[in-house]
Amino acid sequence: AQSVSQHNHHVILSEAASLELGCNYSYGGTVNLFWYVQYPGQHLQLLLKYFSGDPLVKGIKGFEAEFIKSKFSFNLRKPSVQWSDTAEYFCAVTSLGSQGNLIFGKGTKLSVKP
Amino acid sequence: DAGVIQSPRHEVTEMGQEVTLRCKPISGHDYLFWYRQTMMRGLELLIYFNNNVPIDDSGMPEDRFSAKMPNASFSTLKIQPSEPRDSAVYFCASSPLQGGEQFFGPGTRLTVL
Repeated sequence: AQSVSQHNHHVILSEAASLELGCNYSYGGTVNLFWYVQYPGQHLQLLLKYFSGDPLVKGIKGFEAEFIKSKFSFNLRKPSVQWSDTAEYFCAVTSLGSQGNLIFGKGTKLSVKP
Repeated sequence: DAGVIQSPRHEVTEMGQEVTLRCKPISGHDYLFWYRQTMMRGLELLIYFNNNVPIDDSGMPEDRFSAKMPNASFSTLKIQPSEPRDSAVYFCASSPLQGGEQFFGPGTRLTVL
């Protein structure tokens, strides 16, 4: 069965620090990859997605992610975080052979200190 | 587009009562998903539909939970009878594509006393 692992449960950073959140998945076929963000008290919103092409994907609010097929990874990065980036971040995967559902990771809570 | 619409936004009920959560997906989206989110268990997929047909309900906790999609623009998730452990935020999401981006609604925060 497919699974998604997010390595960090809670990350605490100061403003202007660089961010990298890890995501690994366990499916060997062709996949679509996503990062979602959930701000406190809100619903999940798409940050970025990868379907094919350039493995370095740029999303909203200065976020980017790199798909490394050989490592089954899709890590999220941001060079300089802001207090407003405080949120929970979810990695998700779906395979082209699936019926349509996404497999979500457990999420990583990011707290940015002002 | 109004996005995915869920109602009610908040529901407080007593144990044993029936609860019905409602979702209107984005027009034209063929896939509809119901999720439950709690602090302890994170985000769990309960059930999803394709063209109004339930595809996978393996995430539905038990027989107290049921979901329907009578047409392309409306779905319900019903809990009968409700229990305190059902307290959670329930999200509905829709997607136009198999394996594509899902668009989430604002959620229903359910509290069962």
